[in-house]
Amino acid sequence: DVKVTQSSRYLVKRTGEKVFLECVQDMDHENMFWYRQDPGLGLRLIYFSYDVKMKEKGDIPEGYSVSREKKERFSLILESASTNQTSMYLCASSFDETQYFGPGTRLLVL
Amino acid sequence: AQSVAQPEDQVNVAEGNPLTVKCTYSVSGNPYLFWYVQYPNRGLQFLLKYITGDNLVKGSYGFEAEFNKSQTSFHLKKPSALVSDSALYFCAVRDPRYNTDKLIFGTGTRLQVFP
Repeated sequence: DVKVTQSSRYLVKRTGEKVFLECVQDMDHENMFWYRQDPGLGLRLIYFSYDVKMKEKGDIPEGYSVSREKKERFSLILESASTNQTSMYLCASSFDETQYFGPGTRLLVL
Repeated sequence: AQSVAQPEDQVNVAEGNPLTVKCTYSVSGNPYLFWYVQYPNRGLQFLLKYITGDNLVKGSYGFEAEFNKSQTSFHLKKPSALVSDSALYFCAVRDPRYNTDKLIFGTGTRLQVFP
């Protein structure tokens, strides 16, 4: 089975802090994705990566950056956290058109 | 514009009754369509997908979906609902503008199955 893990299930940070969300997949997938999920808005893509050191902006990249130094790991960085970044963050990897999701990180920015 | 619509925020059904969760799409070219389910405080789980071939696709947990090209729909169905099917369901379509597995998701439909 594909396994996608995220470093934290719950996270509380203060406004202005730099926040790192880590995602690791164990299936050697080339594509990885970061989404945020908000009620009534569904999933919105922040960034995705199709190979090591390669990244593409998604629909809502503002205020975020990403890093993919190794194939199995895709990190989401909030450079200076703001309260409007309070959300559920979901990571996924994909193979053969199918995306496989991690359990999510619920981030609260105070 | 490429998009997916789930017209119902919530669907309520009695246990044992058939259920339908609706999805319509708008993409250029041939669509790749997906359904995912999210149980409380969990990530999304893949249910089924349509790429090509038979319009009726069978997936996990007894779910199926019917691709209708003329109506640009991909409704999720199950003949007999279970209380344990209560969850949030997302329809998605592959974004044809990218040569990768990037998906466009709908806003989700909450399915509530009552005993």
